[in-house]
Amino acid sequence: ILNVEQSPQSLHVQEGDSTNFTCSFPSSNFYALHWYRWETAKSPEALFVMTLNGDEKKKGRISATLNTKEGYSYLYIKGSQPEDSATYLCAFPNNAGNMLTFGGGTRLMVKP
Amino acid sequence: EPEVTQTPSHQVTQMGQEVILRCVPISNHLYFYWYRQILGQKVEFLVSFYNNEISEKSEIFDDQFSVERPDGSNFTLKIRSTKLEDSAMYFCASSRTSGYGEQFFGPGTRLTVL
Repeated sequence: ILNVEQSPQSLHVQEGDSTNFTCSFPSSNFYALHWYRWETAKSPEALFVMTLNGDEKKKGRISATLNTKEGYSYLYIKGSQPEDSATYLCAFPNNAGNMLTFGGGTRLMVKP
Repeated sequence: EPEVTQTPSHQVTQMGQEVILRCVPISNHLYFYWYRQILGQKVEFLVSFYNNEISEKSEIFDDQFSVERPDGSNFTLKIRSTKLEDSAMYFCASSRTSGYGEQFFGPGTRLTVL
């Protein structure tokens, strides 16, 4: 059973604050790491698929880094806005790429 | 923008009843998946499906569960005799290719078993 963990479980920040959270995963047999953003009552939406050690990806104010040797990825949000409020999930695929193991998610709440 | 759709959004059923959850994946996608999230727990993989057969399944996906692609557009999950512990949000996903690329998720069906 793969162990994919996220911390913290929840985070309350003020509008304008920058924030980051962590996903840890098995460092052996790494294939890729997915980050998803899931707003209540909507579909989880893919943010990034990260494959290379040292990878850094960016989409607007959201960016992610990857360290496959130590088994962690950070997600950063610069200047949080209320619309960033969501649950952020990371997921680790198996070797065939036909199943994802999810972390428990970080629930972010941004207060105006 | 194409999206995965699921029906119904919420299903309430009595223990022991059969339920069918429906999904319409993105039209040019070939790989299909079901996941579920029991309240307060992690999202869990159930099954993946390609070329009209199951390619991977978890321990959760026992004989009470089945999947089908009855036509060119729908992908269904059937639970034959629901149990209280089957209450969860069920997500369908699809992807165009195999491998480690993005899976596109539907909004989920909340199943409540009474």
